[in-house]
Amino acid sequence: QVQLQESGPGLVKPSETLSLTCAVSDYSISSSYYWGWIRQSPGKGLEWIGSIYYSGRTYYNPSLKSRLTISIDTSKNQFSLKLSYVTAADTAVYYCARGTPYITGTFDYWGQGTLVTVSS
Amino acid sequence: EIVMTQSPATLSVSPGDRATLSCRASQSLSSNLAWYQQKPGQAPRLLIYAASTRATAIPARFSGSGSGTEFTLTINSVQSEDFALYYCQQYDNWPPLTFGGGTKVEI
Repeated sequence: QVQLQESGPGLVKPSETLSLTCAVSDYSISSSYYWGWIRQSPGKGLEWIGSIYYSGRTYYNPSLKSRLTISIDTSKNQFSLKLSYVTAADTAVYYCARGTPYITGTFDYWGQGTLVTVSS
Repeated sequence: EIVMTQSPATLSVSPGDRATLSCRASQSLSSNLAWYQQKPGQAPRLLIYAASTRATAIPARFSGSGSGTEFTLTINSVQSEDFALYYCQQYDNWPPLTFGGGTKVEI
């Protein structure tokens, strides 16, 4: 059973950088084609942030691209998210997820999510 | 960007009823559409991909249909554990991957 666990600060100040890591267990991160980050603002719907392939190739949401970096560390079996110059609009539950094998663009295993609040 | 529109926003049903949820895309997706279920405080769970293929371990009472721009998720004989939020998501033309606004299935 693939397990994903997000970690990182729960509170970030405006204009600073939000950094999260997704640790993957019971599965090799190199075995899956791609991984992703999705967020959900309080009481709102789901927003795809970006995806990274095991090769390191990335795809970002154009609305976040200028502030976003997603990276992968196969030696630690984890991948990470950095979102710079955050504002209150970036307050959300952030999920990491595994791309469904052979169904590019969907996600079959998700972390439990971590709430990140942007506030001074 | 492909815009996904779900209706209704809220669907009130009784246990044992059939629930029909709709999802419309702003342009054709072929069959590149997925459905997710989300319960309060939990992460989304993949139910359906390729418009009509159930994901692993998803009960047969969940079925998906449609192609192009109109899609439907049907829950036959709604069970108590099915009361949740449901999202459709397109993966035909991305980035970005986009989700609908959700349908809440309530008692």
